[in-house]
Amino acid sequence: DAGVIQSPRHEVTEMGQEVTLRCKPISGHDYLFWYRQTMMRGLELLIYFNNNVPIDDSGMPEDRFSAKMPNASFSTLKIQPSEPRDSAVYFCASSLASAATNEKLFFGSGTQLSVL
Amino acid sequence: QQPVQSPQAVILREGEDAVINCSSSKALYSVHWYRQKHGEAPVFLMILLKGGEQKGHEKISASFNEKKQQSSLYLTASQLSYSGTYFCGTERQNQGGKLIFGQGTELSVKP
Repeated sequence: DAGVIQSPRHEVTEMGQEVTLRCKPISGHDYLFWYRQTMMRGLELLIYFNNNVPIDDSGMPEDRFSAKMPNASFSTLKIQPSEPRDSAVYFCASSLASAATNEKLFFGSGTQLSVL
Repeated sequence: QQPVQSPQAVILREGEDAVINCSSSKALYSVHWYRQKHGEAPVFLMILLKGGEQKGHEKISASFNEKKQQSSLYLTASQLSYSGTYFCGTERQNQGGKLIFGQGTELSVKP
């Protein structure tokens, strides 16, 4: 398996533009997580899905952020409009089952987002 | 609800030992440990479930004290390859798989 695949690897955009980050989880994994990493806040959980259904989106910072998982093999995280403080590395991770059942998370390579 | 890690950073000489602590103010069901190299994604090290178990991975082991809501990661006879940032991730009971990570501990191993 190719692992969790994220695209793009790097994104540079201007403030106010729409940004869409993409993630393909490992086939057969039921859980998908979106994390944001910054120096100040570390790894923040934004939202996670179970069987394509959003379970907890309490970490989504504002209404400017939205995430979807239309099917088991694809998820998007959208920021509209983007702001400079959204600059961060965004990681997607997937797991076979709940973290409580002894299943580890597999992380994608991340998307480095820079909003100018 | 983010777990607190200590220390924030540690510098070691090759062969020295280190302990990284992770504590939570809430009752925990499981603790995960991950290591992240600069510019890379976090990589899984181990999971500890409620029950106070201790696990090992090469010369890296960890313990979980559920009563104190604390976990510790032990690195013995450190190697250069151990350098990176270590994150603990915690899950509370009935949280449906929600894994929250601490701020991370940056470990540097020097020759």
